Amino acid sequence: DSGVTQTPKHLITATGQRVTLRCSPRSGDLSVYWYQQSLDQGLQFLIQYYNGEERAKGNILERFSAQQFPDLHSELNLSSLELGDSALYFCASSAGGDIQYFGAGTRLSVL
Amino acid sequence: SQQGEEDPQALSIQEGENATMNCSYKTSINNLQWYRQNSGRGLVHLILIRSNEREKHSGRLRVTLDTSKKSSSLLITASRAADTASYFCAIYNAGNMLTFGGGTRLMVKP
Repeated sequence: DSGVTQTPKHLITATGQRVTLRCSPRSGDLSVYWYQQSLDQGLQFLIQYYNGEERAKGNILERFSAQQFPDLHSELNLSSLELGDSALYFCASSAGGDIQYFGAGTRLSVL
Repeated sequence: SQQGEEDPQALSIQEGENATMNCSYKTSINNLQWYRQNSGRGLVHLILIRSNEREKHSGRLRVTLDTSKKSSSLLITASRAADTASYFCAIYNAGNMLTFGGGTRLMVKP
């Protein structure tokens, strides 16, 4: 168990809808990262937050947004969903060092 | 394209054999890390090697790094069926980001 909790584990929704993925980092970790893993794109870095502030941005679509709250949990919001957004979404956390600890992921299916 | 590129994409071996996976990258790095992912699960950190290190060991894992060739290899010795998973190299650079390769799918047959 990595100590990173992601909910929900599975999410099934329709095109055009909006969903929110939640992540609780390891106790004490200030950094939270979001990744998308799909068969054709592999594991893609989306965005990083550090202690509530956006730190780095990767290949995140404008339809996607994230935030980190004062209690350090983070949410990834995906809107106007398309079939191609179906993927595994991972959250990872770190204490500010090099190693990241991954949650079990949320499997999103857009029908 | 992704920074790290693993080779081979898939590897099938018998239990007890050694498995070697390679990773090539394009830019300078602070360190290079290897992660493991069991099917559909989260990634688990295995080992980290810094840019000024050439070799590192952890249990049955051996990692080498050649910064002149911009390549790394992960060796798993005396493999077990439980080692069946996907293995990813990840580049950690000055931007404080981890960039993952496409992974090597390892199957260890009992």
